[in-house]
Amino acid sequence: DAGVTQSPTHLIKTRGQQVTLRCSPKSGHDTVSWYQQALGQGPQFIFQYYEEEERQRGNFPDRFSGHQFPNYSSELNVNALLLGDSALYLCASSFLMSQPQHFGDGTRLSIL
Amino acid sequence: GQQLNQSPQSMFIQEGEDVSMNCTSSSIFNTWLWYKQDPGEGPVLLIALYKAGELTSNGRLTAQFGITRKDSFLNISASIPSDVGIYFCAGQLYGGATNKLIFGTGTLLAVQP
Repeated sequence: DAGVTQSPTHLIKTRGQQVTLRCSPKSGHDTVSWYQQALGQGPQFIFQYYEEEERQRGNFPDRFSGHQFPNYSSELNVNALLLGDSALYLCASSFLMSQPQHFGDGTRLSIL
Repeated sequence: GQQLNQSPQSMFIQEGEDVSMNCTSSSIFNTWLWYKQDPGEGPVLLIALYKAGELTSNGRLTAQFGITRKDSFLNISASIPSDVGIYFCAGQLYGGATNKLIFGTGTLLAVQP
């Protein structure tokens, strides 16, 4: 039973570029949430997708956008990258929006 | 961003010792969760608590959901070297169209054999 999988594992970009991160939820899960984790801190909620719609959004600018596909997988897009966007980006999935979330190992994004 | 108050910030203990850490919030949550994160990996769910006052165990781990719904603690008994890592509490508030998690600041646990 595959857990939450994320790709790529590492990514290096320069300021101003755009990036797309991908997530496949755990089998049987239909809800995907994205988090940003800066070094030495706890994860911060970006947004959550259920039934292909963004259901809630954290305190992140519109440069951060996402999508959920009919197979429940999801993408996180970040435009006009800033140095401060360097972080570990975590995807979490759950069955329905109320059940405990399970995390993938994240994508480490470095901005030069 | 919003983070819950988690203490202690770090702990350095001998193998076999018991460990206790706690998390407090100014907000009420429906659910408290505890995760462990190892270097280079994502958080792994350890325990989920659903009711105020609930005490739940998972092997050597025991966690409680505070009566006020604003706090939780995690105990680890007879620590072993593989307990090393960062422990995060998370409060979950759901209702309507959300189950957003708010994380604590983390407790770094080091266990000396």
